[in-house]
Amino acid sequence: QQPVQSPQAVILREGEDAVINCSSSKALYSVHWYRQKHGEAPVFLMILLKGGEQKGHEKISASFNEKKQQSSLYLTASQLSYSGTYFCGTEDKGAQKLVFGQGTRLTINP
Amino acid sequence: DTGVSQDPRHKITKRGQNVTFRCDPISEHNRLYWYRQTLGQGPEFLTYFQNEAQLEKSRLLSDRFSAERPKGSFSTLEIQRTEQGDSAMYLCASSLKSGYTFGSGTRLTVV
Repeated sequence: QQPVQSPQAVILREGEDAVINCSSSKALYSVHWYRQKHGEAPVFLMILLKGGEQKGHEKISASFNEKKQQSSLYLTASQLSYSGTYFCGTEDKGAQKLVFGQGTRLTINP
Repeated sequence: DTGVSQDPRHKITKRGQNVTFRCDPISEHNRLYWYRQTLGQGPEFLTYFQNEAQLEKSRLLSDRFSAERPKGSFSTLEIQRTEQGDSAMYLCASSLKSGYTFGSGTRLTVV
């Protein structure tokens, strides 16, 4: 079952922060985050494997609450290069494939 | 390491024709995935290989779709008797242990 992302779209000014959420109805083994720019392939940002785990990638970090079956992606002091569509991909326990959410379109304006 | 390569980048075909796409994964990656993406949607899982074995195929995939990965290297995805609803971006990805590396995709347009 497809995870649900919220919000569907965000518009920010450069330097502002954003949070993107990803929720699943199933018990999760891992959560992946990807960014896709228009006309390009999705690019891997990070993977979270354990409940409560937090990871960081430049000014982008994420958390994974295994009990709530949720993950959040945090973008701080956003840069123009952060614009794109962000997808979470969830891996169920026992599965070996990702199911992607519908995406969150992030627009950063100067 | 040249990343994941897909060929062709674009394909326009008439309804009813067969098409075949190729994916060359990163050489040391043992897992290979095919996804389909339509405008404004996330990638939708089609099928998955570990080495040469096809381990899972989406229930949404009709019998018109078939994929192979001979010798656990490159993979092909064939669509027979294409329909307009098959128009989409077909993405290939490979992985070893963690994140997926996606190719640039093959955009299929069925007219």
